[in-house]
Amino acid sequence: DTAVSQTPKYLVTQMGNDKSIKCEQNLGHDTMYWYKQDSKKFLKIMFSYNNKELIINETVPNRFSPKSPDKAHLNLHINSLELGDSAVYFCASSQGPPFYEQYFGPGTRLTVT
Amino acid sequence: TQLLEQSPQFLSIQEGENLTVYCNSSSVFSSLQWYRQEPGEGPVLLVTVVTGGEVKKLKRLTFQFGDARKDSSLHITAAQPGDTGLYLCAGAHGNNRLAFGKGNQVVVIP
Repeated sequence: DTAVSQTPKYLVTQMGNDKSIKCEQNLGHDTMYWYKQDSKKFLKIMFSYNNKELIINETVPNRFSPKSPDKAHLNLHINSLELGDSAVYFCASSQGPPFYEQYFGPGTRLTVT
Repeated sequence: TQLLEQSPQFLSIQEGENLTVYCNSSSVFSSLQWYRQEPGEGPVLLVTVVTGGEVKKLKRLTFQFGDARKDSSLHITAAQPGDTGLYLCAGAHGNNRLAFGKGNQVVVIP
């Protein structure tokens, strides 16, 4: 069984479109995250939810909107896609304190043309 | 923002050689983790170190947490091609998140 799954794996779309990425975890964790990994491989946290409540909201354009329907799911919707949004987006889950060990999904490679 | 600096950024070695990569910060962390990321996949947790001076071994990988809990090193003995990947260190300091370094890209040539 996959612990953290994301769909789709690849997403190619044109500028100005709206797209969503879905994430599900079956680890029973309370906390889920979205990260963006740029071309230089730097992992930057975007959002975090704990039991459906938004707890981290980094400086991210408001075109990005996370939604957590329940603690096992965290989706990311992106409006009006721009070229600079091209990156790999990772979902992760964590048991939380004290170590916040992250369990990552396989990533979604988003390419905006 | 807590910054973790990893060095060297890129390292290429022959199979069978040893290597050490470093993760340094000016901040103290309550714990520090190492992840390995292979191309096209998400990072996978290798180890968590908690106590200053702690040493943990995972087969041919040896992880050490600095005495002051500000830095860490990863030593690989007799590297294999399967050790190729991006090694990420991440520090926890209790605000619901980890601070990630930019990674050590390791390539082991057969």
